[in-house]
Amino acid sequence: SQQGEEDPQALSIQEGENATMNCSYKTSINNLQWYRQNSGRGLVHLILIRSNEREKHSGRLRVTLDTSKKSSSLLITASRAADTASYFCATGNTPLVFGKGTRLSVIA
Amino acid sequence: ETGVTQTPRHLVMGMTNKKSLKCEQHLGHNAMYWYKQSAKKPLELMFVYNFKEQTENNSVPSRFSPECPNSSHLFLHLHTLQPEDSALYLCASSQAQGDTFVGYTFGSGTRLTVV
Repeated sequence: SQQGEEDPQALSIQEGENATMNCSYKTSINNLQWYRQNSGRGLVHLILIRSNEREKHSGRLRVTLDTSKKSSSLLITASRAADTASYFCATGNTPLVFGKGTRLSVIA
Repeated sequence: ETGVTQTPRHLVMGMTNKKSLKCEQHLGHNAMYWYKQSAKKPLELMFVYNFKEQTENNSVPSRFSPECPNSSHLFLHLHTLQPEDSALYLCASSQAQGDTFVGYTFGSGTRLTVV
C-alpha cells in the first residue's frame, strides 16, 4: 500500500461549523479509507470508499473520491467538541501505511 | 470495545527488563499487525501476520520479537529496549484482501515507557 498525505496538518474550528480534510495519493487504488484517532488511543475506522464510488455518507461524515485527481476529502458537518482528534487516510488493502494526519480541534 | 483487546494499557520497564505485549481479536480476522507510534511521528508498521505466518518485518530491531500462536492472538516480546523505544504500540486486525476487506480494527494501544 502507499501512503496518503493529509492536508491541512492542523485545523481549528468552532463547534457547529463544518470541517473539511483532504487526502492525496500517487498511484491507482482500489479503495481509500479514513480513520480517526483520539489522543493516546487506537485508530477507529470511519469509512471506506471504493474506486468505483464517488461519494459516500455515514451520519455527519461525507467522503468524496476523485480518482482522476488522486484525491479524497472528508467533510464533518455540524462539528462537535467530541470530533477533536487526528484524522488519517489510507489507501489499498494491506498492509496500510499512514501519513501524519490532520489534527482537528473543535472549540466549544 | 472494538473487538481487539490489548494488554497492558500502560507499561513502564527498565532497559534490562523483558516484557510482552498481548493482542487478542474476537472478530474472526485472519491478519494481524503491530504498529509503533512515537510522539509527532506517523504510525510505523512493524510486523504483519497473515494466517499466523509473518509476511512482513519492516526492518525492526531484533529487541522486538513478535509471536502469533494462532489467528486470534499476537504478542510482541520486548527485551533490552532503549529509551527511544518509548511509544504507543498499536495492534490491528483485518480480514483478507479483496471485496471482503472493510478496513482495520485497532486496539486501544499499550503506552510503553522505557526508563
